[in-house]
Amino acid sequence: AQKVTQAQTEISVVEKEDVTLDCVYETRDTTYYLFWYKQPPSGELVFLIRRNSFDEQNEISGRYSWNFQKSTSSFNFTITASQVVDSAVYFCALRGPNFGNEKLTFGTGTRLTIIP
Amino acid sequence: DAGVIQSPRHEVTEMGQEVTLRCKPISGHDYLFWYRQTMMRGLELLIYFNNNVPIDDSGMPEDRFSAKMPNASFSTLKIQPSEPRDSAVYFCASTPQVLVGADTQYFGPGTRLTVL
Repeated sequence: AQKVTQAQTEISVVEKEDVTLDCVYETRDTTYYLFWYKQPPSGELVFLIRRNSFDEQNEISGRYSWNFQKSTSSFNFTITASQVVDSAVYFCALRGPNFGNEKLTFGTGTRLTIIP
Repeated sequence: DAGVIQSPRHEVTEMGQEVTLRCKPISGHDYLFWYRQTMMRGLELLIYFNNNVPIDDSGMPEDRFSAKMPNASFSTLKIQPSEPRDSAVYFCASTPQVLVGADTQYFGPGTRLTVL
């Protein structure tokens, strides 16, 4: 069975601080896909990143960066120089490799509040 | 390009009434997913379709829930009769099919259902 754990329920930081959101996953698949989604106060789910299990390179996109470590089954998300617009609930998700494994398993989410 | 379209955005109904939620996936996407989000249970997959065929409906709560996809550009989720515990945000998502199965899921804005 697949499982995604986001142990941080809520985080508050002051604007311009860096913040890291943790994601730990469990799967028996050797090939799998990891995702991060953002849910702002308006409610929609916005796709941020997808990472394949065979690609352990870290990724940076502007102020966002992701640290994927298979050895610890973690896929952490860091926001550098946080802004108020980053306030949202962030979900980590996991999917299996092939046909018949299209389900996304979501974590419970981390509510991030950026204090101006 | 238009994203996933859901209607209505908000629905308030009384217990016992029939509710129909609608979804138009992104053109060319072969998979369509229905999710439900509540505070207690988080994001749950209800059912998903591939090429208009239901693949996995194990997440559908009970017989009061039914989903159809009569063509590639339209799907409905129906609740009959509705109950207060069905109050939630219902999301539709779609994704294209790639060589190794489904790709990244893109979500619609959601329908907020309130059953009084």
